[in-house]
Amino acid sequence: GEDVEQSLFLSVREGDSSVINCTYTDSSSTYLYWYKQEPGAGLQLLTYIFSNMDMKQDQRLTVLLNKKDKHLSLRIADTQTGDSAIYFCAEKSGGSYIPTFGRGTSLIVHP
Amino acid sequence: DAGVIQSPRHEVTEMGQEVTLRCKPISGHDYLFWYRQTMMRGLELLIYFNNNVPIDDSGMPEDRFSAKMPNASFSTLKIQPSEPRDSAVYFCASSLDRVHEQYFGPGTRLTVT
Repeated sequence: GEDVEQSLFLSVREGDSSVINCTYTDSSSTYLYWYKQEPGAGLQLLTYIFSNMDMKQDQRLTVLLNKKDKHLSLRIADTQTGDSAIYFCAEKSGGSYIPTFGRGTSLIVHP
Repeated sequence: DAGVIQSPRHEVTEMGQEVTLRCKPISGHDYLFWYRQTMMRGLELLIYFNNNVPIDDSGMPEDRFSAKMPNASFSTLKIQPSEPRDSAVYFCASSLDRVHEQYFGPGTRLTVT
């Protein structure tokens, strides 16, 4: 079946940029999402990108999609301590009702 | 809208007891999903509903788990009898349709001792 892979941890210094990477296997993926989970809370949609796009920027967030390599990344500019959370990558094909989630990447921001 | 509402937020129970988790989706959303999150297995989809009808329950771990959606604004996930390995955070999510993203509730942290 479809698979979504992410590294489990990323540690960055406050003020630096963070890049969280994700790879997926489903070549028919149409929608790709980034969710953020803060401690004790549910997943919250951060941003999404359609498969016919290469890049999407939203304030400090930049999403890059390499469809050929099935690679998705989330760049957070000027990372702050409030960005510390678990970030989930998810993909969904047009014919599917439900997304496939990765295991999540714990982003740790230190002073 | 208040978002997806789940209750209780925390539940501690003894092995063998029945546990009922509750969810109120966002009004107007046609899809409702139940997930389980653990450190070992990540986020697992248990079951989802479309217009109150269960569509896919292949993720339900065993017969001890059951889910219902009696109306568009309420769903329950029941575990009977509960076991320590059921300890996890259970999330409910809803979406407008198959295209739009899911909105997650805050989760119920279940501890079975």
